[in-house]
Amino acid sequence: GAVVSQHPSRVICKSGTSVKIECRSLDFQATTMFWYRQFPKQSLMLMATSNEGSKATYEQGVEKDKFLINHASLTLSTLTVTSAHPEDSSFYICSVTAGGNQPQHFGDGTRLSIL
Amino acid sequence: DAKTTQPTSMDCAEGRAANLPCNHSTISGNEYVYWYRQIHSQGPQYIIHGLKNNETNEMASLIITEDRKSSTLILPHATLRDTAVYYCIVRPRGGSGTYKYIFGTGTRLKVLA
Repeated sequence: GAVVSQHPSRVICKSGTSVKIECRSLDFQATTMFWYRQFPKQSLMLMATSNEGSKATYEQGVEKDKFLINHASLTLSTLTVTSAHPEDSSFYICSVTAGGNQPQHFGDGTRLSIL
Repeated sequence: DAKTTQPTSMDCAEGRAANLPCNHSTISGNEYVYWYRQIHSQGPQYIIHGLKNNETNEMASLIITEDRKSSTLILPHATLRDTAVYYCIVRPRGGSGTYKYIFGTGTRLKVLA
C-alpha cells in the first residue's frame, strides 16, 4: 500500500495566488521529509529538507520566503508556494524516510500550473 | 552534483532481462546504492538498495562490483510496464543524520514489444 499521500495531485491557479501542498506519511512517523521540484524532461531537484519541530533546511538557490515549509507533526509536512508566478509551474514531489539506511518513499507528486 | 553516471537511454525487448549499469567510482565505504524508477507523471518508486553484497527482491536484482565502483540493476523479465526512467543514487550510511538524495539524469529504459 501507499507509504506517502500527497495532495492535491493537480492545481491550476492564477498568478499571485498562494498554493499549499500537503505530504502525509502513512506508515510511520517521519521526523524528516524532503521536497523536490521537477521541470519537464529534467531530473528531480531537491528543494529543502523538512524537519519536524524545527526550521526547514533549504538548498542553495531556493528562496525560503517563497517556498514556506511547515512540519508541525510527525506525519505531515506542507509546502506553500507564496505569490505563485508562471515560472513556479512545475511538478512538486515530497518524500519521507524512516531514517537510518531506510530508503525514501515518494508521493505521487503535485502538478502546479500557474496561469 | 550527483555521484553517479548512467547511460542516457536503453532499449530492451519484452521478456528479456534488462541490465541497467551505474558508475559510482567515487563511492565511499559508508555509502549505500539506491535504485528508483519514475514512470511518467508519477513520483519515483523505490526498487532496491545495497551496500556491498548483491541483493534481490521481488522487483529486481542489484549486482555491486567487488570494488563497489559500479553496479547493475537487473530486471529479469522486462515488461512494457517497466518502461520508465531509472535512477541510481548513492547516499551515506544511516545514523542520526538526515542524508539527502542527489538525483542524476537517470537512464530512460524503453521496453519494446
